[in-house]
Amino acid sequence: GESVGLHLPTLSVQEGDNSIINCAYSNSASDYFIWYKQESGKGPQFIIDIRSNMDKRQGQRVTVLLNKTVKHLSLQIAATQPGDSAVYFCAENFISNFGNEKLTFGTGTRLTIIP
Amino acid sequence: EPEVTQTPSHQVTQMGQEVILRCVPISNHLYFYWYRQILGQKVEFLVSFYNNEISEKSEIFDDQFSVERPDGSNFTLKIRSTKLEDSAMYFCASSPRTSLSNEQFFGPGTRLTVL
Repeated sequence: GESVGLHLPTLSVQEGDNSIINCAYSNSASDYFIWYKQESGKGPQFIIDIRSNMDKRQGQRVTVLLNKTVKHLSLQIAATQPGDSAVYFCAENFISNFGNEKLTFGTGTRLTIIP
Repeated sequence: EPEVTQTPSHQVTQMGQEVILRCVPISNHLYFYWYRQILGQKVEFLVSFYNNEISEKSEIFDDQFSVERPDGSNFTLKIRSTKLEDSAMYFCASSPRTSLSNEQFFGPGTRLTVL
């Protein structure tokens, strides 16, 4: 079946360094991808998104790269800060011909920033 | 900044009992969603709702589940006869789904514990 998955369940990064979190997806028809951050006890928080007609999008300290050839998504966080410690989920959004959409989440990567 | 709110934050119930989880989406949003997250697992899509009807539902969303928008502000998830495996965090989300943004805004969640 279709699935979205993350390569690494945990990642530890020194404060100030850059981090890269990877994600593989399998639904080639997905047209929209999102990275969410989830802190303990809170709901997922939108970080950045990218549409399938793009291969790179930058935000503030974050960059998302999309490689449709190998169905791979990555999130780069520059100059990491303690507040970046959280679980990061990638999600793919598929919108059907009827306009219905379904967001499928990956399993999550726990990012820990070491002071 | 407008946000999605959910009540209660924690609901404890006995197996077989009915529960209603409540959400107040962001006021100008038109699309509403419920997700669940079993402890330590990924966020799973349950149902999407638009124009007072279900637009998409997952295989998890069986006959025990129902959603309703009883008035202009609330969006509820009802579980008719709870099972132990329904214990999870339940997240409500809403989206404007305009041409500029598909972003889904998540609430803080309701932790449901079925005993």
